[in-house]
Amino acid sequence: QQQVKQSPQSLIVQKGGIPIINCAYENTAFDYFPWYQQFPGKGPALLIAIRPDVSEKKEGRFTISFNKSAKQFSLHIMDSQPGDSATYFCAASKDDKIIFGKGTRLHILP
Amino acid sequence: DTGVSQDPRHKITKRGQNVTFRCDPISEHNRLYWYRQTLGQGPEFLTYFQNEAQLEKSRLLSDRFSAERPKGSFSTLEIQRTEQGDSAMYLCASSLANPTFTEAFFGQGTRLTVV
Repeated sequence: QQQVKQSPQSLIVQKGGIPIINCAYENTAFDYFPWYQQFPGKGPALLIAIRPDVSEKKEGRFTISFNKSAKQFSLHIMDSQPGDSATYFCAASKDDKIIFGKGTRLHILP
Repeated sequence: DTGVSQDPRHKITKRGQNVTFRCDPISEHNRLYWYRQTLGQGPEFLTYFQNEAQLEKSRLLSDRFSAERPKGSFSTLEIQRTEQGDSAMYLCASSLANPTFTEAFFGQGTRLTVV
């Protein structure tokens, strides 16, 4: 059973556009929701994270929107740049064990 | 370099051979995690340690897999009698969990190819 469902699988956006990646979870015990960015040949790197008592968190061009009642959260990237092209993973954590979604391959066209 | 270090970065082995990977976490981190990532998938949890104690093992971790963290610092992951299905990127991460969970930092991984 997939505990964290992520969509879309891939996404192509024009430079300056706002890609949106969505995730849903089932386990209400999850208490920490990070997003990771991964470039080819590298390990995942934490981008931004949110706890379920907050509905939105913004760091630079990256924003997480969190809907606790719907058990959904999403990542928005403002003013996207070609350098943002990477694979993005949403994740959820319970008891400090991180469960990842399957990832979204994002490509920003120049 | 104060990040998570993994060695080797790449390993090619013949089916049936044993392999061992090493992870050096960030020095003050007490939690250490092993994940496996196959192409086009997210990292899958394998096991984690708090200090030297192995707290949880995924059912993905068959009897051929063993992980240790003998002194609560570096960790090793051994795969015995490798199979082609073991080909993947093996990722190590560490975090400081005292008392609440903090960010997990990942290493660059060890890419295993079983031929």
